[in-house]
Amino acid sequence: GAVVSQHPSWVICKSGTSVKIECRSLDFQATTMFWYRQFPKQSLMLMATSNEGSKATYEQGVEKDKFLINHASLTLSTLTVTSAHPEDSSFYICSARDYWTSGGETQYFGPGTRLLVL
Amino acid sequence: RKEVEQDPGPFNVPEGATVAFNCTYSNSASQSFFWYRQDCRKEPKLLMSVYSSGNEDGRFTAQLNRASQYISLLIRDSKLSDSATYLCVVNNQAGTALIFGKGTTLSVSS
Repeated sequence: GAVVSQHPSWVICKSGTSVKIECRSLDFQATTMFWYRQFPKQSLMLMATSNEGSKATYEQGVEKDKFLINHASLTLSTLTVTSAHPEDSSFYICSARDYWTSGGETQYFGPGTRLLVL
Repeated sequence: RKEVEQDPGPFNVPEGATVAFNCTYSNSASQSFFWYRQDCRKEPKLLMSVYSSGNEDGRFTAQLNRASQYISLLIRDSKLSDSATYLCVVNNQAGTALIFGKGTTLSVSS
């Protein structure tokens, strides 16, 4: 199956630091990628939809100036958490949409990035 | 009403048991339905898509009732390795993103 990688897998940083997370589709091109956040014992919450070559679409309540998304190529999207604070500590997961030749689609998830802001 | 609702469990069953999970969704316009599995501290992985006619994959059977906006997953002959959280997932009204339920936790013991 398709593979999506994320880097780094773990980040521990001081409050006020900016953190960049990369999401790559390894064996398919993804015009659309998604960024999710998951707090302990909570469901995945969609933060934003990342579209190659255009601006990301943010979900209600997600600050676009705090969570900067760049989808510069068909295989790479980045999420930058600017001036991170302890309340930003979470599990950040990206996914990439893969379209089937039959007309269907599915999303493959990256392994996630655990962010801990001290 | 939440967009996707699931019984959080946990469901604690012995090996070999049959267990069923239920899910309801609020958006009648949803067209795509999935069950994902998430292991502790890992990313979700697609278990199976759910089709209108119902579908089966080995020990796993998924059913969809569009009229009731209800999705189910049946696991037969449970294995220890089935222990995980099962996420009910539907697409949003625009069909552009997935909406996840909170998940149902299954624990299979020997």
